[in-house]
Amino acid sequence: QSVLTQPPSVSGAPGQRVTISCTGSSSNIGAGFDVHWFQHLPGTAPRLLIYGNTNRPSGVPDRFSGSKSGTSASLAITGLQAEDEADYYCQSYDSSLSGFFVFGTGTKVTVL
Amino acid sequence: QVQLQESGPGLVKPSQTLSLTCTVSGASISSGNYYWSWIRQPAGKGLEWIGRIYTSGSTNYNPSLRSRVTISVDTSKNQFSLKLNSVTAADTAVYYCARYRLNFDYWGQGTLVTVSS
Repeated sequence: QSVLTQPPSVSGAPGQRVTISCTGSSSNIGAGFDVHWFQHLPGTAPRLLIYGNTNRPSGVPDRFSGSKSGTSASLAITGLQAEDEADYYCQSYDSSLSGFFVFGTGTKVTVL
Repeated sequence: QVQLQESGPGLVKPSQTLSLTCTVSGASISSGNYYWSWIRQPAGKGLEWIGRIYTSGSTNYNPSLRSRVTISVDTSKNQFSLKLNSVTAADTAVYYCARYRLNFDYWGQGTLVTVSS
């Protein structure tokens, strides 16, 4: 039921920069609703990585950054590290019948 | 440190009711203007928001599940609960509880619920 589309996977060597896109529509991201990003390792609680499009909670390294434009948002990871290998999800609010909160399809980041 | 922990049966028979509880520690469920949510993830699929409850007891549900879902809160135990009735195999998923104000800032580790006879 995901209404936000992400690439299934991205990969990069240690130290490189990778970006993850999150494409929505005029009823969610395009309507001006905030985008948030989560990092998820299987078997653990998802971790809030970016909130309000561009903000990092305390404790999140500044290697992680978010941006938003039009009906899309992006998460960038610079200086990729082995510990960044995880699943990443975007999340926003949707004003249509899809439900209040919607999530992205998820992206697996692999550190080569 | 706020922590959330899901608990409940890991196996539910088709057509029966799935019941889960989320126990909150490190914060009072009845203060702070937070909503308390349930979210699930079927194997190999994305996250799906199920619904939320405010400390006043007001609720909002995903329209696709609204007819089968009930979320309640027990402030005396610092817990909130999920009931999903008439389950089918499609309801097999990892179920998470999470805290929300402007974003989902704390989540539980999740609990796998399998619907099977």
